Amino acid sequence: EDQVTQSPEALRLQEGESSSLNCSYTVSGLRGLFWYRQDPGKGPEFLFTLYSAGEEKEKERLKATLTKKESFLHITAPKPEDSATYLCAVGILTGGGNKLTFGTGTQLKVEL
Amino acid sequence: GAGVSQSPSNKVTEKGKDVELRCDPISGHTALYWYRQSLGQGLEFLIYFQGNSAPDKSGLPSDRFSAERTGGSVSTLTIQRTQQEDSAVYLCASSHGDRVTETQYFGPGTRLLVL
Repeated sequence: EDQVTQSPEALRLQEGESSSLNCSYTVSGLRGLFWYRQDPGKGPEFLFTLYSAGEEKEKERLKATLTKKESFLHITAPKPEDSATYLCAVGILTGGGNKLTFGTGTQLKVEL
Repeated sequence: GAGVSQSPSNKVTEKGKDVELRCDPISGHTALYWYRQSLGQGLEFLIYFQGNSAPDKSGLPSDRFSAERTGGSVSTLTIQRTQQEDSAVYLCASSHGDRVTETQYFGPGTRLLVL
């Protein structure tokens, strides 16, 4: 059975304190690894897609990396506005569609 | 441009009543997905549409759940005889196509509470 596990469940950082979020997966045939950000009361907002081991993508203070078994979301010098839940998902090609299997997320709180 | 929209944003209903949730995808997006997000759980896939057909309904939890899409655009998710365990946030996403390279863009969700 396809599984996506995120850790830690919750993370509290001081402003400027860099850290990493982990997403490990066991799937039969990864088609893409997706990172989303979700603010309270809103839908997930797309951040990155990674397709092959060794791939890296960056956006502002965020950098996503991918290996054969896991992905990391590195947050460099975070600010309070980076506080959100970060969701990881894997794309499983089935029935002609791109069904996403999500982890339960890491809830990040960045404090002044 | 306009993103994915969903209505209503919140819905409170009594156990046993039927509810309809609506999704308006991004214009031109042929693929549409419904997911459910329960408290403390990850997003759970419900159903996928390509155009007006639904090749993958594997995530619908029971025969009380159904969905349709008309004109290759608007989709409606219907829950009949609602139960308290149906309380969750129902999210809709759309993408330009159904290839693995396509990004799914999510709407704000409908928060359903069954009393």
